[in-house]
Amino acid sequence: GAVVSQHPSRVICKSGTSVKIECRSLDFQATTMFWYRQFPKQSLMLMATSNEGSKATYEQGVEKDKFLINHASLTLSTLTVTSAHPEDSSFYICSTGGGHLEETQYFGPGTRLLVL
Amino acid sequence: SQQGEEDPQALSIQEGENATMNCSYKTSINNLQWYRQNSGRGLVHLILIRSNEREKHSGRLRVTLDTSKKSSSLLITASRAADTASYFCATVIKAAGNKLTFGGGTRVLVKP
Repeated sequence: GAVVSQHPSRVICKSGTSVKIECRSLDFQATTMFWYRQFPKQSLMLMATSNEGSKATYEQGVEKDKFLINHASLTLSTLTVTSAHPEDSSFYICSTGGGHLEETQYFGPGTRLLVL
Repeated sequence: SQQGEEDPQALSIQEGENATMNCSYKTSINNLQWYRQNSGRGLVHLILIRSNEREKHSGRLRVTLDTSKKSSSLLITASRAADTASYFCATVIKAAGNKLTFGGGTRVLVKP
């Protein structure tokens, strides 16, 4: 399956700062990537679908101006958490694949964000 | 919102025993997938079962799907300590494109 990396693996920042998380598809040309958020001991919640060369599609309740997504190439999508607050502290996971209905998704290792 | 609910939320068994977890969902699906997540890590795909399939096997894993009851089960046979992880079901609904909607997950602890 596809290999997906994320950087950084963990980040601690002060409230009010912005944090950028990178998701790279290392061996797969990903026209679509997905961003999820996972709170402790909870399930993954889809935040947005990142589309190469076009605007991301956000799930209901996810602020597009708060969570900026850029998918400028077939191998890289970035998620920027702007003006981060403690409630944004979470585990952020990206995935790729899922190009058609029966395709599995390949997940990155996740980025743990702690906002102080 | 979550499409799937998983049961039990947590499961503790001895090595060598079988582990069974269930997933229920609300709307018609194209397929249902099971993923595994080790603590603090990403997800690993285990198995995909299509809506017209009733059972699939992969190694020590057995997945069933009952579309009339809108439920699926994952059985891990002869469990090992290394099977300790959280297991999630995820559904793909044709009307929603290829997005995965995850269940709440089952945390499995296999004691050596």
